[in-house]
Amino acid sequence: DTGVSQNPRHKITKRGQNVTFRCDPISEHNRLYWYRQTLGQGPEFLTYFQNEAQLEKSRLLSDRFSAERPKGSFSTLEIQRTEQGDSAMYLCASSLGPGANTEAFFGQGTRLTVV
Amino acid sequence: QKEVEQNSGPLSVPEGAIASLNCTYSDRGSQSFFWYRQYSGKSPELIMFIYSNGDKEDGRFTAQLNKASQYVSLLIRDSQPSDSATYLCAVKGYGAAGNKLTFGGGTRVLVKP
Repeated sequence: DTGVSQNPRHKITKRGQNVTFRCDPISEHNRLYWYRQTLGQGPEFLTYFQNEAQLEKSRLLSDRFSAERPKGSFSTLEIQRTEQGDSAMYLCASSLGPGANTEAFFGQGTRLTVV
Repeated sequence: QKEVEQNSGPLSVPEGAIASLNCTYSDRGSQSFFWYRQYSGKSPELIMFIYSNGDKEDGRFTAQLNKASQYVSLLIRDSQPSDSATYLCAVKGYGAAGNKLTFGGGTRVLVKP
């Protein structure tokens, strides 16, 4: 399977714990995006990388959130001291290069439940 | 006002009919427009995108763009029960705003046999 891969698919954690999600983009794609989606809403942009550089972060990305893409390949999204409001689907997408007309493809998502 | 607006639905259509979905956007500088399909509990799947005014057809799907009126629509011809899903409209802007997709809330479509 050469699509975007996310792990884990599901994560249940207790409030206050730290969680880390991984995203493996399509191999030749140099752009990688993280989105968050809550029930009944469209995905909301969190951050994106061009290769290993994190070029933009949404105001939604509080200090408890951090994302990395150390070698310009896979990316991790860590949430520290999770809160119940963090419960959502976390989606990763990748695209080939910048530009308004490039298509972004999503992974299967990681569904986080904070109890 | 949200940047990208869609009627949440549900839009109920009989099998074989045409489903018509609309999306309006607020940023007049928006450059390209994407339609994604999302089944319940799954991730968004790209259907098609459009960046020039007019119509673009891909199989049973037709995207229509009118930049002057700031709306984009998606037509699904010969609707099938398997088309029952939420359809997300997403927009990319100009310059730095072209670096990410801004999504509407989605329109839920129900195709009844």
